[in-house]
Amino acid sequence: NAGVTQTPKFRILKIGQSMTLQCTQDMNHNYMYWYRQDPGMGLKLIYYSVGAGITDKGEVPNGYNVSRSTTEDFPLRLELAAPSQTSVYFCASSPASGAEAFFGQGTRLTVV
Amino acid sequence: AQSVSQHNHHVILSEAASLELGCNYSYGGTVNLFWYVQYPGQHLQLLLKYFSGDPLVKGIKGFEAEFIKSKFSFNLRKPSVQWSDTAEYFCAVSNTGTASKLTFGTGTRLQVTL
Repeated sequence: NAGVTQTPKFRILKIGQSMTLQCTQDMNHNYMYWYRQDPGMGLKLIYYSVGAGITDKGEVPNGYNVSRSTTEDFPLRLELAAPSQTSVYFCASSPASGAEAFFGQGTRLTVV
Repeated sequence: AQSVSQHNHHVILSEAASLELGCNYSYGGTVNLFWYVQYPGQHLQLLLKYFSGDPLVKGIKGFEAEFIKSKFSFNLRKPSVQWSDTAEYFCAVSNTGTASKLTFGTGTRLQVTL
């Protein structure tokens, strides 16, 4: 059972570089989410999607973009990396509104 | 908007001690409540959830939580912790409307000593 798969697991970026964090799920879930986790801050929602072609901003969307062209995939794009984006990023999916979320293994990103 | 407060940031217990982690939420409507656990270096996993019915919910690994609507609380308990329970614990809430999202607390780091 693959569940939610994130790649890469680790990445170091230089300031100003761009990258895409990949997320795919094989559970046919309509809802998908991107969170960032910073020490002592819990998880903050960056973007979410309620289905293919539909995305919306969460609490901390600045500096990020997303797309949802298929049910399975929900990539997160960083256009101009900044040190403030150093964090652990988690992708999650959920079968319905308000239901439990299933998380990927996370991507640890460092911007130097 | 909904919010979640976890007042215990770091808890240290000896093995076999009892555990209670506090969680309070703020939201005017009906909510679903969750506790997630994150073991060191791993992703979040669901411990237990409350949607409706019996306010005392039992989860995996001997954990339970009680929903007290009048106090807006959903505290996590375990009668006897083990060293393997060392982890970070997150309380989360979602409303029951369309396009609802999980809102997390800041987490409680539990350290169990031998």
